[in-house]
Amino acid sequence: AQKITQTQPGMFVQEKEAVTLDCTYDTSDPSYGLFWYKQPSSGEMIFLIYQGSYDQQNATEGRYSLNFQKARKSANLVISASQLGDSAMYFCAMRVSNFGNEKLTFGTGTRLTIIP
Amino acid sequence: GAGVSQSPSNKVTEKGKDVELRCDPISGHTALYWYRQSLGQGLEFLIYFQGNSAPDKSGLPSDRFSAERTGGSVSTLTIQRTQQEDSAVYLCASSLAPDNTQYFGPGTRLTVL
Repeated sequence: AQKITQTQPGMFVQEKEAVTLDCTYDTSDPSYGLFWYKQPSSGEMIFLIYQGSYDQQNATEGRYSLNFQKARKSANLVISASQLGDSAMYFCAMRVSNFGNEKLTFGTGTRLTIIP
Repeated sequence: GAGVSQSPSNKVTEKGKDVELRCDPISGHTALYWYRQSLGQGLEFLIYFQGNSAPDKSGLPSDRFSAERTGGSVSTLTIQRTQQEDSAVYLCASSLAPDNTQYFGPGTRLTVL
């Protein structure tokens, strides 16, 4: 079975500082994908960044980067120069192929609050 | 282009009533997923469609839940004889293909009184 663990229920970070949100995963499948989604108070899940298990380099998307450590089974999200608009719930998710059903398994999320 | 849309955005119903939740995926996306987000259970997978077929219904919590997809586009999730434990946000997602990124709609918040 696949499992995603996010150990930080909540984090408070000063505006403009960098923040790291932790995510560890467990799977025996060699082919998988890791995702981070942002969920503001409005409720919509917004895709941020993706890392494939065979990708050689860490993924980056603007201020977001994914610190992928395959041997440790971790996929931490790094947000550089945090902004007030970054305040939201952040979910780490994993996709493992299951007879063509690429469903996502989610962690419990981290609530990030940016302090002005 | 237009994203995933869901309707209604909010639904309040009485215990025992049936409800229908609708999802319009991004145009051209062949894969469609339903998830449920509740305080006690977090985010959980319900059902997956590839085209109009549902090869995986393993996440549906009971036989009161059903879903269909027509024309490879719109999907409807139906909950019969609603119970209070069905109260949750129901999220729909679509992807261009099963192994592509899933994009989510705004969700339908269901409250069963």
